[in-house]
Amino acid sequence: DAGVIQSPRHEVTEMGQEVTLRCKPISGHDYLFWYRQTMMRGLELLIYFNNNVPIDDSGMPEDRFSAKMPNASFSTLKIQPSEPRDSAVYFCASGNGLEYEQYFGPGTRLTVT
Amino acid sequence: GESVGLHLPTLSVQEGDNSIINCAYSNSASDYFIWYKQESGKGPQFIIDIRSNMDKRQGQRVTVLLNKTVKHLSLQIAATQPGDSAVYFCAETGNQGGKLIFGQGTELSVKP
Repeated sequence: DAGVIQSPRHEVTEMGQEVTLRCKPISGHDYLFWYRQTMMRGLELLIYFNNNVPIDDSGMPEDRFSAKMPNASFSTLKIQPSEPRDSAVYFCASGNGLEYEQYFGPGTRLTVT
Repeated sequence: GESVGLHLPTLSVQEGDNSIINCAYSNSASDYFIWYKQESGKGPQFIIDIRSNMDKRQGQRVTVLLNKTVKHLSLQIAATQPGDSAVYFCAETGNQGGKLIFGQGTELSVKP
């Protein structure tokens, strides 16, 4: 199993640009989570899906952030417009609803200049 | 101005010694706890878990202890190796199904 796949691994963009982060969860997992990690705030849950349906988006910072899961094998996290304070490592994780363990991807390091 | 980041608790141990990493969790309703290890530049990786109906669970070189009375979780690593150097997070389920609540993490540094 390839594990959770995220792309791109690194993204550098200018303030005001749209950024799209992508995630492919582990096949068969019915939960998908988006996290943000910074030195200032640690690891924060942004949103999670169950069976492609958003369950809790209370961690999404503001309307500039949106996430979709069009099917069981793909999810996107979009930031539009991006700001320097969005610079962070964004992790996607997936899980099997029968267990609580979450499997993390390698992360996308986003730098907004 | 100078930015202020999280001041992660740091534990420094000598190679071969045992390490104990502690975590205070917040929700007495949590019924499942996990320890994760995060190496530099990587995502968190599962180490070991424990359910609330247990007080101890052992894995390979790792032991997790749960004290529900004081809402305390600990991770013991036997014969710590340089490869154990990482940030360790505890996580709990809270009272909302499906998601985990992560602690701030402890940085373990192993001196050869």
